[in-house]
Amino acid sequence: GENVEQHPSTLSVQEGDSAVIKCTYSDSASNYFPWYKQELGKRPQLIIDIRSNVGEKKDQRIAVTLNKTAKHFSLHITETQPEDSAVYFCAASRQAGTALIFGKGTTLSVSS
Amino acid sequence: GAVVSQHPSRVICKSGTSVKIECRSLDFQATTMFWYRQFPKKSLMLMATSNEGSKATYEQGVEKDKFLINHASLTLSTLTVTSAHPEDSSFYICSAPSPGLAGGSSYNEQFFGPGTRLTVL
Repeated sequence: GENVEQHPSTLSVQEGDSAVIKCTYSDSASNYFPWYKQELGKRPQLIIDIRSNVGEKKDQRIAVTLNKTAKHFSLHITETQPEDSAVYFCAASRQAGTALIFGKGTTLSVSS
Repeated sequence: GAVVSQHPSRVICKSGTSVKIECRSLDFQATTMFWYRQFPKKSLMLMATSNEGSKATYEQGVEKDKFLINHASLTLSTLTVTSAHPEDSSFYICSAPSPGLAGGSSYNEQFFGPGTRLTVL
């Protein structure tokens, strides 16, 4: 089955810096890669996703890149703000709408 | 966006009792829902896929007789933790994929319920 590895497990940055979180996956049939932000005790919130027919997607300060050949994808957050502090999870699935396999999560701390 | 609700939000029960958790899609129909478990400071682990009109599909290592799943209608799936023990204490979250927009992919993003905090004493 699918296995998703995520690094780093914790990331501390200064406000205004960029943050990068990387994930690798094992199932070459995976085609959908969402990123979620989860605050303590809350549900995961989708922040951006990418499908395998696209190499990069951007939404304001957030971007995701995908390298299908290498089976890895990354989340890039620019101009970080304290409110970006949360746990971020990458995930993979065969297609949007099917079961998600999550990475272990990255705790991002943005200090002002 | 689409809304998924869960009930109860938190429950405390005695060891040996059974607990039922409901997951509802409020403004769309979901033939499939997913149940995840999340231990403190850990990731979401897929437990099972709930299928309307057929049996649930369980992930390896998840006891189907302990975690009973019933997809009663196109908007409701229930997870019953039977004979709960302290090690079952966890955050249980369901999700449902909302149908995509016309002309787009078949399914849009998955929407998560707010989760249920189960504590077994």
